[in-house]
Amino acid sequence: DSGVTQTPKHLITATGQRVTLRCSPRSGDLSVYWYQQSLDQGLQFLIQYYNGEERAKGNILERFSAQQFPDLHSELNLSSLELGDSALYFCASSPRGDRRIGNTIYFGEGSWLTVV
Amino acid sequence: AQTVTQSQPEMSVQEAETVTLSCTYDTSESDYYLFWYKQPPSRQMILVIRQEAYKQQNATENRFSVNFQKAAKSFSLKISDSQLGDAAMYFCAYRRWSGGSNYKLTFGKGTLLTVNP
Repeated sequence: DSGVTQTPKHLITATGQRVTLRCSPRSGDLSVYWYQQSLDQGLQFLIQYYNGEERAKGNILERFSAQQFPDLHSELNLSSLELGDSALYFCASSPRGDRRIGNTIYFGEGSWLTVV
Repeated sequence: AQTVTQSQPEMSVQEAETVTLSCTYDTSESDYYLFWYKQPPSRQMILVIRQEAYKQQNATENRFSVNFQKAAKSFSLKISDSQLGDAAMYFCAYRRWSGGSNYKLTFGKGTLLTVNP
């Protein structure tokens, strides 16, 4: 158990709909990252938040948005869903960079999204 | 931008044998971390081993060890005494380091390892 919690674990929805994926980072971790893993793609970085503020943005579509709340949990909002959005969405977290703890990013179990 | 390349889409090994997975990366940074993550059929991402670029000594975790060649920008993973439970997709990943700042992981496309009984 990595300590990163994602909900829901599985979600099936129709095209055009909107869903929200939720992530609770490990206790004390300030950074949250979202990754998308499709069947034919590797792990694509979407977005990163650090202590409530957007830190880096990757290949995130305009139909997608995210935020990190004061309690450090994060949500990824996916709207106007298309079939191609079907994927495994990972949330990951890390503490403030510190060589003593190895600067590691820990992943949740992912949220499986199926768009039909 | 940093890139990570895994040139072996698939590898296979006999149980109890040794296998080496290759990874190369490209960066202009001098300080960074490298990781190997394992993704079994459950699709969970599990950290296997970590290497700090400033350390010359290769990291070892039980049956897993790395060969880190900084000048060549190479970071291979060796699995000794392979077990059936080692069968998984293995991802090599790079993370820049800069004075405590938090940077994302950049992943290779993965190597699917099959372990034959």
